[in-house]
Parts: sequence; structure tokens; C-alpha cells
Amino acid sequence: QKEVEQNSGPLSVPEGAIASLNCTYSDRGSQSFFWYRQYSGKSPELIMSIYSNGDKEDGRFTAQLNKASQYVSLLIRDSQPSDSATYLCAVKPRSGSARQLTFGSGTQLTVLP
Amino acid sequence: DTEVTQTPKHLVMGMTNKKSLKCEQHMGHRAMYWYKQKAKKPPELMFVYSYEKLSINESVPSRFSPECPNSSLLNLHLHALQPEDSALYLCASSQGGGPLTEEGYTFGSGTRLTVV
Repeated sequence: QKEVEQNSGPLSVPEGAIASLNCTYSDRGSQSFFWYRQYSGKSPELIMSIYSNGDKEDGRFTAQLNKASQYVSLLIRDSQPSDSATYLCAVKPRSGSARQLTFGSGTQLTVLP
Repeated sequence: DTEVTQTPKHLVMGMTNKKSLKCEQHMGHRAMYWYKQKAKKPPELMFVYSYEKLSINESVPSRFSPECPNSSLLNLHLHALQPEDSALYLCASSQGGGPLTEEGYTFGSGTRLTVV
């Protein structure tokens, strides 16, 4: 089992719709969770971070965390063509671990005009 | 503009060359990282320099060697690379506050390396 799993997609949604991206992780002790957006040929850009169970909203983006079920999701409301990119889920391990931020394989999102 | 600066942006090198990638951050972060990313794959951690200690991913071949001249610089020295080492090399930094924070990593714009 991979440490961080995402649906690879591609995921296509029409402009204005809600895009839902999901991520599961295997280490139950993981503490912090991140969503990065990466445009083709560019470096990852941090768009959301979440630490506590529940929802965290920032503009059109909402991150949802459920530690009991070991999943984290990202909702993008009113999707725009400029949101078309690969979205990487990243997980920070538990305290005391020598491991660092671990990335999922990414979900490719296309927003159709 | 990113707060983590990487140079060069593009590099083509032969298998017998020696080259260096440079990374600099001015955010006062205590941890810096090198990642390698192949096309359509997630970034893979190569090295971590955190609180003056270097950690190495043991799967990284010795033809890659990191150097940290000071807390704001992290270089990656390349020697006798192979064509399969062609990839996007990403530098990142963080405050190094540990797992109990929502702090993520800030990435530089990357160096696109091609080994011929």
C-alpha cells in the first residue's frame, strides 16, 4: 500500500462546477496535510494546509480532513479553466519520525470552458 | 516571484561533466530540501538539511552530493550523471517546525536538467 494515494485522473469538470479531489494516507499518526497545485513544467505551489479534523476554507478552496478515516479532500468551487493543473496531496508524518513530507502521485484536473 | 531561488533554470550536461545546482532562500527557514521529479510523477525526496544536519535518502546515488555553505544556501553537485537522471530538480525550504504545524514547504521554480 502506498503511503499517500490519490486518484490519478484525469478529472474533467465544466467551468463553474465543483471539483472534488481525494487523498488517503496509510500512517494513522500523520499530523499535517497539504494540497499543492502544479502547472505543467512548473514547480508545486502550496494552496491549502490543514491540521485539524473538519473543514478549512480559503476563497474557492475547501480542504476537508477526517483522521479517523484517514482521508483528506480538496473542493474547488466555481472551477475556472485556470484551475487546470495537477493537484498533489502531501502528508507530514508523526512527531519523531525521520521521514519528511510525502507526496501522492497527483490528480490531473481539467476544467472545460 | 518565488522566495526560493534556483539557478540555473535549465541545464544540459554530458555524462562526463561536473556541474552544480544552486538554491538560496531568504526567509530565515531552518530546513532545506532537494527533490527530483520525473514527468507525471510526484516529487521524490533526495536530501534534507535541517538544523545543520544533513539527511540523505539512501536510494540516491553518490553521483549526487549536497553541500550547505550556510543556512540559506543548499547546493547540489552533479558528477558523471546518466541520461535517466534527466528530470526537474526542485529545491524547497521550510521553517523546520516539525510535524505539529500546518507549515508546508516553499518550492523554488526548479532546474530542468537534461543529461546527454
